[in-house]
Amino acid sequence: QKEVEQNSGPLSVPEGAIASLNCTYSDRGSQSFFWYRQYSGKSPELIMFIYSNGDKEDGRFTAQLNKASQYVSLLIRDSQPSDSATYLCAVNNNYGQNFVFGPGTRLSVLP
Amino acid sequence: DTAVSQTPKYLVTQMGNDKSIKCEQNLGHDTMYWYKQDSKKFLKIMFSYNNKELIINETVPNRFSPKSPDKAHLNLHINSLELGDSAVYFCASSQLPSTLPGDEQYFGPGTRLTVT
Repeated sequence: QKEVEQNSGPLSVPEGAIASLNCTYSDRGSQSFFWYRQYSGKSPELIMFIYSNGDKEDGRFTAQLNKASQYVSLLIRDSQPSDSATYLCAVNNNYGQNFVFGPGTRLSVLP
Repeated sequence: DTAVSQTPKYLVTQMGNDKSIKCEQNLGHDTMYWYKQDSKKFLKIMFSYNNKELIINETVPNRFSPKSPDKAHLNLHINSLELGDSAVYFCASSQLPSTLPGDEQYFGPGTRLTVT
């Protein structure tokens, strides 16, 4: 059975620091990987997706994928209090299976 | 201008009742989804429709029945509501079926269902 795992947190970092969020998945057939941010009481919104091994950068965000280790991470540089939210990792594959979300990591950026 | 909209936003009802949640997207997407997010914030897919055709039907009680009258709408009907059905239900849509990489899902604002 597919599983996507994340540390539930809370992960606390000081303002300006780098926040590192990690996600592991069990299905080796997984092809694409997503990071969503969810503020309390709001709906998830996409931050980034990645499907090739290596790094993908977008502004202050960098997604890292290592398919051999079945590991995907999100780095947030120069963390801001407005980054405080729950970050959801989601995994998808090409075999007609569904989109699977991890339990989310709650990030708190302290001013 | 809302891309994915849901109604109602809040729904409070008693056990045993039947209720419906409606979802509409104006993005021209082909695929729509229903997710359930429980009190522990775990987001789990329930159903997925592509061009009005059911393509994902996860293990949910058959009291839950989705209906897609057209590709812009996906409604969720719940019969004989139970306490455990209390959760936030999110509708989402995407341009492609969820079998292709790089797909992005756009979520609606959610419907908070409370069963008493």
